[in-house]
Amino acid sequence: DVKVTQSSRYLVKRTGEKVFLECVQDMDHENMFWYRQDPGLGLRLIYFSYDVKMKEKGDIPEGYSVSREKKERFSLILESASTNQTSMYLCASSFNLPGTTYEQYFGPGTRLTVT
Amino acid sequence: TQLLEQSPQFLSIQEGENLTVYCNSSSVFSSLQWYRQEPGEGPVLLVTVVTGGEVKKLKRLTFQFGDARKDSSLHITAAQPGDTGLYLCAGDRGRRALTFGSGTRLQVQP
Repeated sequence: DVKVTQSSRYLVKRTGEKVFLECVQDMDHENMFWYRQDPGLGLRLIYFSYDVKMKEKGDIPEGYSVSREKKERFSLILESASTNQTSMYLCASSFNLPGTTYEQYFGPGTRLTVT
Repeated sequence: TQLLEQSPQFLSIQEGENLTVYCNSSSVFSSLQWYRQEPGEGPVLLVTVVTGGEVKKLKRLTFQFGDARKDSSLHITAAQPGDTGLYLCAGDRGRRALTFGSGTRLQVQP
């Protein structure tokens, strides 16, 4: 069974703080993703990575950075948290097999509140 | 810009009713996936459709991919309270990433 875990289910931070969200997967997946989910907007892709030390910007990368030092771990960093980054953050992973459809497996999410 | 539009956004029905959820785009996708998300959890994959016109059944759920691979539908027969959740369609963007629709929130009343 694929397992994607996220470091916290709930997090409350103050404006201006540096925030780290950690994601770990145990299925040796090459691809990892960070999304944020807001009501009425669905899931929006922030960053993704298809290999260690590789990263690509998604649709809304502003205000975020990522780190992938090990294959199983993908971190999302908010350099200086702002209230408009209050959201549900979801991590996902998938295999990188050409010719497949890259089904994604999600963690339970981290609900971040920035006050 | 939202590339995948889902309708309806909200649906509240009685147990035993049938329903259809739609996922539409002006873009062609090489494949389309449907996920269900329950409160407090991440989305879970239900099905992937790949071929234009393809129909897949998962118990009481029927998924169809449009002939032009721009749209898809999910039909639930005799809905149960356990079907309650947020249904998301997602299209393959061709660079290992997915584009998600805004979701349809389904509530099935017992």
